[in-house]
Amino acid sequence: GAVVSQHPSWVICKSGTSVKIECRSLDFQATTMFWYRQFPKQSLMLMATSNEGSKATYEQGVEKDKFLINHASLTLSTLTVTSAHPEDSSFYICSARDVRDQETQYFGPGTRLLVL
Amino acid sequence: GENVGLHLPTLSVQEGDNSIINCAYSNSASDYFIWYKQESGKGPQFIIDIRSNMDKRQGQRVTVLLNKTVKHLSLQIAATQPGDSAVYFCAESETDSWGKLQFGAGTQVVVTP
Repeated sequence: GAVVSQHPSWVICKSGTSVKIECRSLDFQATTMFWYRQFPKQSLMLMATSNEGSKATYEQGVEKDKFLINHASLTLSTLTVTSAHPEDSSFYICSARDVRDQETQYFGPGTRLLVL
Repeated sequence: GENVGLHLPTLSVQEGDNSIINCAYSNSASDYFIWYKQESGKGPQFIIDIRSNMDKRQGQRVTVLLNKTVKHLSLQIAATQPGDSAVYFCAESETDSWGKLQFGAGTQVVVTP
């Protein structure tokens, strides 16, 4: 089946630093990837839609200058949390749509970010 | 619907019994619905989906029912097992939304022996 990986699986950083999270589709190509954020005991909130070769589309209330998204290839999207603060601590999850099956989204295992 | 709340509703089920998890959605234009299972510390795992032109779909031990009139979705799990303990989310999407999913609040299922 289709596999999506994320790296790192968890990260601890100091306040004010930037953190990059990678999302890779391992055995399929994805023109579209999505980034979600999930706080404890809550649901997944869509942050942005990442399109290969073009700018990401951000959901209302998500700062594009704080959460930089780059989708440089059909198998890789990156999310960079710039100048991270404790309130950015969360579980970040990506998903990818197979170009051959535009309907199904495959989710990554998530990245736990803790900002001290 | 909106993702609100600081705690998840919990459904306690005895092993071997059937589980029914409910979800209300808000967007009348949604035409594609999916149920996901999320175990602690992991990403969501696809369970089953249904299109709006259907009202029932069955998988292995799972059945999804869709009632468009009242905008209600349910997931039935037959013969619930300890491995079914997880948080279950419904998600909705509409055809012209580029695949964007709107997740429901989630239900914590706890299977007791």
